[in-house]
Amino acid sequence: GAGVSQSPSNKVTEKGKDVELRCDPISGHTALYWYRQSLGQGLEFLIYFQGNSAPDKSGLPSDRFSAERTGGSVSTLTIQRTQQEDSAVYLCASSLREIYGYTFGSGTRLTVV
Amino acid sequence: DQQVKQNSPSLSVQEGRISILNCDYTNSMFDYFLWYKKYPAEGPTFLISISSIKDKNEDGRFTVFLNKSAKHLSLHIVPSQPGDSAVYFCAASGGTSGSRLTFGEGTQLTVNP
Repeated sequence: GAGVSQSPSNKVTEKGKDVELRCDPISGHTALYWYRQSLGQGLEFLIYFQGNSAPDKSGLPSDRFSAERTGGSVSTLTIQRTQQEDSAVYLCASSLREIYGYTFGSGTRLTVV
Repeated sequence: DQQVKQNSPSLSVQEGRISILNCDYTNSMFDYFLWYKKYPAEGPTFLISISSIKDKNEDGRFTVFLNKSAKHLSLHIVPSQPGDSAVYFCAASGGTSGSRLTFGEGTQLTVNP
């Protein structure tokens, strides 16, 4: 597609349940990033995939969070045993190479009740 | 450890006047700085950037100034238009963070007609 696509756009889940968030990056973009924005906060880095290199997971807040990128394209962010503090907008971005080519999706708004 | 800070959560200006958004950083290894603009329910979109080898970059109504000694950058919008009303994020990269962007908290700009 023309842009970065994220699904679902909204997700409400019960505390303790697992959720999966999906990101379809721009075709051909080798770099893929996950960020999240909690209420009143800036964008917090979560994880970064670059080509076939090992991902940079240094931003994942706990071992309940994991992400994978299959075939160098689609990425899934999984949150296990969700907590209320996980409520945020989860944003995915992709880029071809240059930093200014970061293109964000519209995000998934996750609400844990 | 907030390495990029936007101390003004909001700014309100009159249409036609100048908007000045400020950003401070602490990591002296940052060498590339960007501004993103975000409308509600959309992902951030790239606005303008500057390399640390420059102190000014201009693109139409938008100018970014970098003061490396003060670790400060600013975004000037002139003349401001109602359509500029959005949240503006400052971001930085470089050093050990590589191409990963570190974002500030954002500033909500409102341009009144």
